[in-house]
Amino acid sequence: GQQLNQSPQSMFIQEGEDVSMNCTSSSIFNTWLWYKQDPGEGPVLLIALYKAGELTSNGRLTAQFGITRKDSFLNISASIPSDVGIYFCAGKVQGAQKLVFGQGTRLTINP
Amino acid sequence: DGGITQSPKYLFRKEGQNVTLSCEQNLNHDAMYWYRQDPGQGLRLIYYSQIVNDFQKGDIAEGYSVSREKKESFPLTVTSAQKNPTAFYLCASAGAYEQYFGPGTRLTVT
Repeated sequence: GQQLNQSPQSMFIQEGEDVSMNCTSSSIFNTWLWYKQDPGEGPVLLIALYKAGELTSNGRLTAQFGITRKDSFLNISASIPSDVGIYFCAGKVQGAQKLVFGQGTRLTINP
Repeated sequence: DGGITQSPKYLFRKEGQNVTLSCEQNLNHDAMYWYRQDPGQGLRLIYYSQIVNDFQKGDIAEGYSVSREKKESFPLTVTSAQKNPTAFYLCASAGAYEQYFGPGTRLTVT
């Protein structure tokens, strides 16, 4: 099935650093979603984006819906240990029944 | 308390046995989904259902079966035909735009 190109695949950072990750697609999406998955748990929805150019924040997390509608970005400011996990992006074409997922970005934080 | 429940959290079966994973939601969502996740991997779609009594195959449906007799419930059966059934299984439901996941069931087949 179709997949999004999510990068980087993994990140190793120091506590307090800012984090950036992104997803790109060859298709135009009408919805972008960002999830975080802790080990052994289901993904939790962090941010939903519905409009090209939209910038939405959730605490220290900020996500943007790319102006071309083919990409999205997630930033985490001042990382803390509980930010460790796998972050997934997902996109949806208008009228589609399924989401398309990125492969995930694994975030590791050194205290 | 609204949400998606999956039970059990851990499931162990012998090879050759069919096993059914439960998924229930009280979010009043029409759409429900089953995904498989292998260690260090992304999410792969097994089956999905947009409405009661109707469902479609996803990308890796072989060896699996589902039913959708009630809006709230979407059980997944892992049959003995599935070659590598050991995995983490995630159920999800969706409204108009957003999809929410359950806590997952880790199935181990030996």
